[in-house]
Parts: sequence; structure tokens; C-alpha cells
Amino acid sequence: VQLVESGGGLVKPGGSLRLSCAASGFSLSDYYMSWIRQAPGKGLEWVSYSSGKTTYTNYADSVKGRFTISRDNAKNSLYLQMTSLRAEDTAVYYCASQAGTVDRNFDYWGQGTLVTVSS
Amino acid sequence: QSVLTQPPSVSGAPGQRVTISCTGSSSNIGAGYDVHWYQQLPGTAPKLLIFGNSNRPSGVPDRFSGSKSGTSASLAITGLQAEDEADYYCQSYDTSLGGKVVFGGGTKLTVL
Repeated sequence: VQLVESGGGLVKPGGSLRLSCAASGFSLSDYYMSWIRQAPGKGLEWVSYSSGKTTYTNYADSVKGRFTISRDNAKNSLYLQMTSLRAEDTAVYYCASQAGTVDRNFDYWGQGTLVTVSS
Repeated sequence: QSVLTQPPSVSGAPGQRVTISCTGSSSNIGAGYDVHWYQQLPGTAPKLLIFGNSNRPSGVPDRFSGSKSGTSASLAITGLQAEDEADYYCQSYDTSLGGKVVFGGGTKLTVL
């Protein structure tokens, strides 16, 4: 089982970036999938989740209206489209899976991808 | 300001027992939602330590245990070892504002 994030990098304030998370060893459609971020030297912050079986999504207040989570179950991949980026969005972004329901533990995590928002 | 409150740091000597608290409210832990715990070593992704309040995944030593009562939960580590020095996070679910995953602010464990 593996989750591999990609798409991070340096972007200017106000810019956009799209993160990807490729899953292998399990079917994404069976899991809730989340993006979780960690700013340098700070704690974990849940960003967004996507239901496996439905189109239901939810977002942290800090990113609502700017970030969009999506998935392609056929490609076994999860995405995070980030727009209107701010310096405070600088963080390592992890994708992680939850089996069953969204109140369960995160069982698989990716290695993370670093997003730096700076001019 | 995290929805779940953890002490910023705890410490203990090798062999001792330490506990890390995670305090929530009636919309998360107090509403009956489970608490899960993660250990994060520097530069690595979090690793699941306790799930469903008190269950250990295979491979996690029985030195680690979890409990939950009311609006709080605790992680206990007995027989402290140098390798336990890490950051620890609690996680639950909050029903406010449409339902969100919530984490504690994290606790840095220092083994003296």
C-alpha cells in the first residue's frame, strides 16, 4: 500500500498549484481521502476530505473557497487544486486515507509534498 | 487555536511513565467520537499509534496505551525509551460546521 504526493513547489502569493496523490495497493473508491498539511515547525492541520462513494467534500475554514479537492477513482488518484495562495499556506501537504467513515483514524499516509508560497 | 487541546510539551526519564492529555468538547470527543493518536518523528509522516481510543495497531509496543472519558482522552507511555522522543498528536471528528476532522496542537515528548 502506498500513497505518493506530487506537485508541490514554489509559487508566488496569489498563484495556483495542483497537488496529486497517487494510490497503489488499494482502491481509492473504498476510502475517505483527506489532505492534511503541516506548516514549518507547526502541528497537523486537516485541510479537506472527499468521500469515497459519494461526491461529498468538506473543507477547513482556512481554505474554503480557495481550495478544491477532487478524485479520479479510475486513475486511483486524489487531487487538491489550490488558488489564491497565501504565505500562510506554506506547508508540507500530506494525503491520507480513512477506511469506512470520516471519523476513523488515518491508516495510510503519503510522504508529503512541500508547498512554499513566497515572492 | 486547535479544537483539541494538548500540552505543548512533556518530559520524562528513561523507564518512567508519561501521559499526554487531549481535551475536546461536546461537539467532538464528548459527542462520542473516537480519538486516535499519532507519533511523528522529525522529517517523517505521522504514524498511527492508537486507534479507536485504546486499540494498538500491530507492531506498536504495549508500552503505549490510550483511554477516553467524557470530553477528554489520554495517551500513556510506560517504560520510556530514548526512541520515544517525538511529537504526538490526537485526532477526532467534530460535528460543528458540517463535520470536520480535528487534530490536537501536538505534544513534544522529551526523554531526559
